[in-house]
Amino acid sequence: GQNIDQPTEMTATEGAIVQINCTYQTSGFNGLFWYQQHAGEAPTFLSYNVLDGLEEKGRFSSFLSRSKGYSYLLLKELQMKDSASYLCVLKGGSTLGRLYFGRGTQLTVWP
Amino acid sequence: ETGVTQTPRHLVMGMTNKKSLKCEQHLGHNAMYWYKQSAKKPLELMFVYSLEERVENNSVPSRFSPECPNSSHLFLHLHTLQPEDSALYLCASSQVLAGGSYNEQFFGPGTRLTVL
Repeated sequence: GQNIDQPTEMTATEGAIVQINCTYQTSGFNGLFWYQQHAGEAPTFLSYNVLDGLEEKGRFSSFLSRSKGYSYLLLKELQMKDSASYLCVLKGGSTLGRLYFGRGTQLTVWP
Repeated sequence: ETGVTQTPRHLVMGMTNKKSLKCEQHLGHNAMYWYKQSAKKPLELMFVYSLEERVENNSVPSRFSPECPNSSHLFLHLHTLQPEDSALYLCASSQVLAGGSYNEQFFGPGTRLTVL
């Protein structure tokens, strides 16, 4: 089975840097996604890691350590619009199309 | 229209009603998915269709009945639902590549369902 753990809530101020951690246990690993979801809206893709290391995309970076079952999403130069839920999502190694979602971390950015 | 669209965006229904949710993807993808998102719970996968064939049914009650007439359209037929079925229902699509690997899933805006 799969188990995904991430903090429920985080707060930060505009312009700051925040790191959202995700730890997981899985019987089959084929990659890890981070999605952003604003309240009442669809999740949108942020990043994908399949190999160990850091993937950088503008203000957002994502890190993966497969041996430790650990990932983080780093958000720099925070803006008010970054207030959203951030979902850590495992891509399973078996069934076609199977994603496993964490509960999400609700980030609130204060002015 | 671009991306993944869903209609209706909001639906209120009684337990004896029959209704359908519609999803359409304009991305040329070959796989489509239904998810349920309840308050304070992770997204739960309900159904997966690949090349119009259902490849996964994640132990969903029979009061939810999916239909995929072609690779661009996906329906979720609802009948005799329960109040605990009230949730956000999200549709997604992706491109499944050779060997079964696939790119990221693109989500529609969801249908907010309330069962009275």
